[in-house]
Amino acid sequence: NAGVTQTPKFQVLKTGQSMTLQCAQDMNHNSMYWYRQDPGMGLRLIYYSASEGTTDKGEVPNGYNVSRLNKREFSLRLESAAPSQTSVYFCASRRQGGGYNEQFFGPGTRLTVL
Amino acid sequence: KNEVEQSPQNLTAQEGEFITINCSYSVGISALHWLQQHPGGGIVSLFMLSSGKKKHGRLIATINIQEKHSSLHITASHPRDSAVYICAAMKTSYDKVIFGPGTSLSVIP
Repeated sequence: NAGVTQTPKFQVLKTGQSMTLQCAQDMNHNSMYWYRQDPGMGLRLIYYSASEGTTDKGEVPNGYNVSRLNKREFSLRLESAAPSQTSVYFCASRRQGGGYNEQFFGPGTRLTVL
Repeated sequence: KNEVEQSPQNLTAQEGEFITINCSYSVGISALHWLQQHPGGGIVSLFMLSSGKKKHGRLIATINIQEKHSSLHITASHPRDSAVYICAAMKTSYDKVIFGPGTSLSVIP
C-alpha cells in the first residue's frame, strides 16, 4: 500500500496562476481532507469530503475549490493563486466518519506564490 | 480560546531527560490523536487513544477524559526525537478533527 500520495511535492507559482494539487489514497477510506500548515499555526482544514460525491468547507476555504473525483482521489484547486496561499498543503484520509479512526497523511506539497 | 491547546509551545531538553508534552481540549471527543512531524517532513501517527494509557517503545500517551487532558511522555530522550508533536481532537459530533498548535521539541546531545 502506498497510503496517501500527493503531487507535486514542490511548486512555485506567480500571482494569478492556477494549479491543482492531487491526492490519492489506496486504503479504501471514505473521508478525505485538505489542510494547510503555516509557520506558528496548527493545521487548518480547507475542505473535507465525507464520502464520494460530497464535499464541505472547512475553516479556511476561500480561494480554493475541491473535487472528490472518486473514492480514491480528492483534488484541491487554486484558481488564482495569491501570496497568502504560500503554505504547505497536506492531504489526509480516514476510514469512516467520526469514531475511533486515525487520519493518515500524505507527504505534503510545499507551495510558494510569488 | 482555542478548542485544543498544547504546552509548552517550545521545549529544549538534554539527551536522556524525561519529557512531557500536554494537551488540553474543550470539545467532546471520541478519541485523541498524537502525531509527530520532523523538520521539513511529513506527519506520522504516534497514538490514538480514547481512555487510559498507551505505550510504544519510549513513548507513553495518557488521557483523562473527565479532565479533558492528555499527555505525551518521552523517556530517555534522544536527538532523533527532535520534532513537532501535535495533538488532534477527533470530535464526536461529526467528521472533523481539531489540531493543537504543536509543541516543538529539540533534544540536545
